[in-house]
Amino acid sequence: TQLLEQSPQFLSIQEGENLTVYCNSSSVFSSLQWYRQEPGEGPVLLVTVVTGGEVKKLKRLTFQFGDARKDSSLHITAAQPGDTGLYLCAGAGGGATNKLIFGTGTLLAVQP
Amino acid sequence: DSGVTQTPKHLITATGQRVTLRCSPRSGDLSVYWYQQSLDQGLQFLIQYYNGEERAKGNILERFSAQQFPDLHSELNLSSLELGDSALYFCASSVEAAHYGYTFGSGTRLTVV
Repeated sequence: TQLLEQSPQFLSIQEGENLTVYCNSSSVFSSLQWYRQEPGEGPVLLVTVVTGGEVKKLKRLTFQFGDARKDSSLHITAAQPGDTGLYLCAGAGGGATNKLIFGTGTLLAVQP
Repeated sequence: DSGVTQTPKHLITATGQRVTLRCSPRSGDLSVYWYQQSLDQGLQFLIQYYNGEERAKGNILERFSAQQFPDLHSELNLSSLELGDSALYFCASSVEAAHYGYTFGSGTRLTVV
C-alpha cells in the first residue's frame, strides 16, 4: 500500500513568515502533485513535478521533488493570509490506472 | 468554476436510506474519479472510470457502487447508509492519466442522521 505522510499536520504562523511542508513516502512515484483546498471547495492543483530533483517555483511557492522520487517539499516565502488552507500532496504511481494517492494533509493558518 | 459539476451540494438523509451523487466531468476529460474525504481518514480513493469502463477500485464499500454513462457523467450510489458514511464526496476528472493532475468538483457534503 502506498502511503504519503505529510508534516506538520497543522501550522499557524504570522504573515510574512516562511514555512516548509514535507511529504514523505517509502514508495516511488512517477509524478507528485500539490493541491490547496479551501473550506467548502475541492482541492485545486498547484503544481506537478515529474523528475527526481526537480524544483518548480510558483511566485512565493517553491516545490521540490526528491532525487529518488519518494518525497517532496513545499516552501512558502513571506506567507500571506490568502495562503491559508489545506495543502495536500498526491503521488501518481503510474500504470494503467494511474490514480492519485493523497497525503494526510497540512492545515496552514496565516494570521494577519 | 473548475468545470467539474457535482450535485447536490448538500444532502441530509437518514440511516438505511439510499442516495445518488452526480458528477459531470470537465469537457474533454474521459476519466472520472470518486473520493471520500473525512476528518479522520483524509482523501480516500473510491473508484475510477475511464470512458465508461471501470478502471480501478479503491476502498469502496460493497454498499457503494458507481457508473459512468455514455455522455461521460458519473453517478455514485450509496445504499444502506450508516452514520459513518457522513463525509464529503468529491468527483474529479482528468484528460487521461492522473500524471497531469485532476480537476475537482466542489463536492457533495453528505450527512447521515
